[in-house]
Amino acid sequence: AQKITQTQPGMFVQEKEAVTLDCTYDTSDPSYGLFWYKQPSSGEMIFLIYQGSYDQQNATEGRYSLNFQKARKSANLVISASQLGDSAMYFCAMREGLNKFYFGSGTKLNVKP
Amino acid sequence: DGGITQSPKYLFRKEGQNVTLSCEQNLNHDAMYWYRQDPGQGLRLIYYSQIVNDFQKGDIAEGYSVSREKKESFPLTVTSAQKNPTAFYLCASSLRLAGGPGANVLTFGAGSRLTVL
Repeated sequence: AQKITQTQPGMFVQEKEAVTLDCTYDTSDPSYGLFWYKQPSSGEMIFLIYQGSYDQQNATEGRYSLNFQKARKSANLVISASQLGDSAMYFCAMREGLNKFYFGSGTKLNVKP
Repeated sequence: DGGITQSPKYLFRKEGQNVTLSCEQNLNHDAMYWYRQDPGQGLRLIYYSQIVNDFQKGDIAEGYSVSREKKESFPLTVTSAQKNPTAFYLCASSLRLAGGPGANVLTFGAGSRLTVL
């Protein structure tokens, strides 16, 4: 079974609007971490936000928030007030144990002016 | 500034040649990783190392080799046994926490793009 599933290969959003990128995960480990990374066309992977499995509140970092629904095993990324510079690939990832990371196939976000 | 340096950024290889991709970090991170990314796809783990002189195979280790002689360095060799090596290669590192649900964020280098001619 896939550890991380991102079902949206591509998304469009109008500039200044909010957008939600979906991510579901599969693990039986009670201690895990969930991450979102942004990959612009240059190829570098930029860390955006982290959510721990024991965290009670949803993580927020500026315009990014992570909608963590543990029972549903989902960790959706919400980007508020989209900007043209947000156009990129976005990857959801999960850490099991100390150092085992799994990545989804990514969602390509296009922000329209 | 602390970070991960990958070189070269672009590399061309003839079939049958081995090539080595460099990865150096000055973050004092314990763990280092190599990922492969094919167009339009996610990252697949090639090898990872949690401490010096120790490394483990990831999901697609065949045709690749690594070494970890220094904490700062984790070079990847793409051997002639790798049938389809054209891809984007990303090196990453993270702190190796003693336990617990800490963030342990992966920090990435800028990547190396390998093309087989």
